[in-house]
Amino acid sequence: DSGVTQTPKHLITATGQRVTLRCSPRSGDLSVYWYQQSLDQGLQFLIQYYNGEERAKGNILERFSAQQFPDLHSELNLSSLELGDSALYFCASSPTTGGGNEQFFGPGTRLTVL
Amino acid sequence: EDQVTQSPEALRLQEGESSSLNCSYTVSGLRGLFWYRQDPGKGPEFLFTLYSAGEEKEKERLKATLTKKESFLHITAPKPEDSATYLCAVFTSGTYKYIFGTGTRLKVLA
Repeated sequence: DSGVTQTPKHLITATGQRVTLRCSPRSGDLSVYWYQQSLDQGLQFLIQYYNGEERAKGNILERFSAQQFPDLHSELNLSSLELGDSALYFCASSPTTGGGNEQFFGPGTRLTVL
Repeated sequence: EDQVTQSPEALRLQEGESSSLNCSYTVSGLRGLFWYRQDPGKGPEFLFTLYSAGEEKEKERLKATLTKKESFLHITAPKPEDSATYLCAVFTSGTYKYIFGTGTRLKVLA
């Protein structure tokens, strides 16, 4: 158990809908990262927050957005969902902004778009 | 462009048959190289961090090494429970992001 929690575990929805994925980092970790993992693409970095502020952006679509709240939990919002958004979404946390620290991953949310 | 390449894509070993997984990287300003293990449908589990060429880390049957261009994950006398996908990632001062390789799927047969 990494100490990172994610909800829900599974999510099934239809194209065009909007969903919110939630992540609670390990106690004391200030950085939260979001990743998308699909079968053909591996682990793709989406976005990082550090202590409430956006820190780095990866290949995140404009239909996707995220935020980190004062209690350090984070939410990833996915809107206008398409079939291709079906994937595993992982949240990870680390103590600082990165710069060489290991990340601890949550169990993931499996999103299925029908 | 920063890039991480892992080989082989898949590897089948007999129990006790030692081997090595490769992670080669082309990055600007390596700040750390990381190895993770991922079981199907689960989140990656942290194994090792390496910071500079020549560094080595060991944990049970696993040993990670780092050169200026690549890292190796050596698996000595593997057991079936070592079957998993092994991911390599780098953090660079150029992009200030973590970049993951696509992994090596390891299957250890009893």
